[in-house]
This record gives sequence, structure tokens and C-alpha cells, in this order.
Amino acid sequence: GAVVSQHPSWVICKSGTSVKIECRSLDFQATTMFWYRQFPKQSLMLMATSNEGSKATYEQGVEKDKFLINHASLTLSTLTVTSAHPEDSSFYICSARDSEFITEAFFGQGTRLTVV
Amino acid sequence: GQNIDQPTEMTATEGAIVQINCTYQTSGFNGLFWYQQHAGEAPTFLSYNVLDGLEEKGRFSSFLSRSKGYSYLLLKELQMKDSASYLCAGMDSNYQLIWGAGTKLIIKP
Repeated sequence: GAVVSQHPSWVICKSGTSVKIECRSLDFQATTMFWYRQFPKQSLMLMATSNEGSKATYEQGVEKDKFLINHASLTLSTLTVTSAHPEDSSFYICSARDSEFITEAFFGQGTRLTVV
Repeated sequence: GQNIDQPTEMTATEGAIVQINCTYQTSGFNGLFWYQQHAGEAPTFLSYNVLDGLEEKGRFSSFLSRSKGYSYLLLKELQMKDSASYLCAGMDSNYQLIWGAGTKLIIKP
């Protein structure tokens, strides 16, 4: 299957700082990437859908000014958590959809964010 | 509204067979996915069904009935490493995935 690389795998940051998470599709072009958040023992919660070259679409209740998403190329999307708070601590996962095979989506490894 | 229902937790014995059920309601339908997720890891793709019937892939099989809005994942010859959460997701008419809460499968020796 296709490979999606997410970096970093884990990060610890201080309250008030910003953290950037990268999601790259390594061997395919992804016009659409999805960002999820998952709290312990819960399912995936879609935060936003990002399309290359356009603004991301955020789900209800997700602050777009706090979770900045940039999808500048067909292989890279970034999520920046700004002014992080301890309640932002979670597992963040990106998923990329192959432009040619729209019914398939591949996940990155996930990023464990801990805000102290 | 859109909704995916699956059991919260199941327990099975090593070497046995287990069936994890999923019922779905989506706005339009473009397929049903099953993913496996080990604790602390991202989900990995198991299967995709868009037509009625059974798809077999090694020890794992997935079934779909579109008229009933129903799918199941069948795991045979269970191994301890199969202990994980199994996520059911339906794809709606906009090709968006609607996720179930996941079924935690516990395998006992």
C-alpha cells in the first residue's frame, strides 16, 4: 500500500508554545488530506479536511485559528497547534487520499502531543 | 443523520473465530471500510466492501449487505497479536469517512 509519513511521532511542549506536525505522502499524490484527533479509548475525530492549494474545511467545534492547516503541495500538509494548552494533549493522525484512487485513504503513524 | 454502530468490546479465545458487527447509516454510500488499530498506533487498512457479499483475505473476511446497512468483520484462527481495536467506517456520497467508535477485541489464551 501507499506510504504516508507523519513527523514527529511524539512531542512534548510547554503551554503557550506552538507545535507543527507534518504529513507527507511518499509515493503518491494526495489532493486531499485529513487531520484527526484521538483521545484515549475513543474513536477518531475528524478535525479538518485539507485540499491542496485551498483553505482547509474545519469540522464544527474545531478552532481554525488554533489549528492551522497548510496544504501547499500534493505531497505535504502541515498542522500547527498554536498556543498549546494541556487539553490539546492528544494523538493526532493524518490521512491522505490518493488522487487517482479516491476510495482509498492511508494513515500516517500519528503524533503523540503532550503539553505540559 | 449519519451514524456507525459497533460493539464497544468483545472477548475471544486464541485459535477461535470472532465476528465483529457494524451497522451504518450514511448520506449516500461509497463503501465500508474496516481498520485495525493497536494501542498508541495509527489505524491500518484491513478491508473495503462496496458490493454485497463476502470478501476473504487470509484469516480476515469482511461482509456487506447494503440493503440492511450491515457489515461484519470475521477473524479466524485468532492470534494474541489480533488484540486491538477494530474500526468500522462508512464512506458517504462526498467520499468522507464516517467512523464508528471502534470495537476493542481482547484475545485470551
